[in-house]
Order: sequence, then structure tokens, then C-alpha cells
Amino acid sequence: DAGVIQSPRHEVTEMGQEVTLRCKPISGHNSLFWYRQTMMRGLELLIYFNNNVPIDDSGMPEDRFSAKMPNASFSTLKIQPSEPRDSAVYFCASSPANRDIQYFGAGTRLSVL
Amino acid sequence: DAKTTQPPSMDCAEGRAANLPCNHSTISGNEYVYWYRQIHSQGPQYIIHGLKNNETNEMASLIITEDRKSSTLILPHATLRDTAVYYCIVGDNFNKFYFGSGTKLNVKP
Repeated sequence: DAGVIQSPRHEVTEMGQEVTLRCKPISGHNSLFWYRQTMMRGLELLIYFNNNVPIDDSGMPEDRFSAKMPNASFSTLKIQPSEPRDSAVYFCASSPANRDIQYFGAGTRLSVL
Repeated sequence: DAKTTQPPSMDCAEGRAANLPCNHSTISGNEYVYWYRQIHSQGPQYIIHGLKNNETNEMASLIITEDRKSSTLILPHATLRDTAVYYCIVGDNFNKFYFGSGTKLNVKP
């Protein structure tokens, strides 16, 4: 298996633009997680899905952030409009079942100018 | 929100055992202890997890105290490639992980 695949690996955009990050979880996994990592706040859980349904989005910073999982093999995290403080590395992870190992992707490094 | 306490950094000589401590005094009965590591610029990587008993796999050993309030991750023969930030995490029923600051392990030649 290729593991969790995230795209793009790097994204540079200007303030106010819409940004969409993509994630393909490991086939057969039924939980998916989006994290954000910054120097100041470390690794933070933004939202997670179970069987394509959002279970907990309490970590989503504000309404500018939204996440979807239209099917078991694809998820997006959208920021609209983007701001410089959104600059961070965004990780996606998937897990085969509750209380099990999370497998992380390589991350998307986002820079908002 | 982190439920664990770890030292910010540790040094270890190459070839020696690295023992990384973690305090999780508020752990509840159904929560597991997980260890992950993050090598610079990469996504976190799973190492090992356990509930009550000590665990061992090809990467490391996990020693959990009888009261489950603390644990130790042991890398038996550290190499330079083990230099990373190591996170100790207590996971709840829904796998909602809180990553703290972790321990930066520096393996030196």
C-alpha cells in the first residue's frame, strides 16, 4: 500500500485566496484525521471522520475552515479565505478502527503570503 | 489539552539504550498509551502502544508502571536515524489524540 497520500506537498498562496488540501487514506481504513502543526502550537487535531461522517470538528479554528469526506477514499480541507496565520504544515492520517494506530501522510506545507 | 508530561530534550550515545519517560497521571482505565515519533519534516510515525502490560516490537519496548501513571519507551540500541521528537499520547475511545510538545531525542556519535 502506498500509505496516506496528501497533495499538494507544498502550497504558496496569497492572502484571501481559497486553498484546498487533499488526502487519500489507506484503503480499508474507516477513520480519517486532519492535523495542523506550527512551531507555536505544535500538532493540533482539527477534525476527524469515522465512516465518512464528521465526528468531532471542535479543533477547526473558525468558519473559514471546512472539511469534507465525500467517500471512503478521499477527503479535502478547505480554507476560504486564507490568512497568513494559516501558514503551517497540515497532516492527514487514517486509522483502520477506533482505538487503533494512526498512519500519517507526508503533510502539506502551506505558506500564505 | 495534552494529558502527558515529557522532558523537552534528551541526549543518547549511539549504540546505547535510550529511555524516554512519560507521565500520564490522569489516565483512565480504558485509555491506551501510544508512542509516536516525528523525524524532521516528516509525518509522525507510530512506534508502539499498550494498555497495562509491557510491550515489545521490532522498534522498541514500552514499560508501563503498575498504577499506569507513567511509562518509559526504550530504544535498545539507538542510532543516528533515531534522532527525532518522540510523543507520548494517551488515546481515548475515539482515538482523539492530543500531541504535546514531546521529547527531542538527540543521538550523538
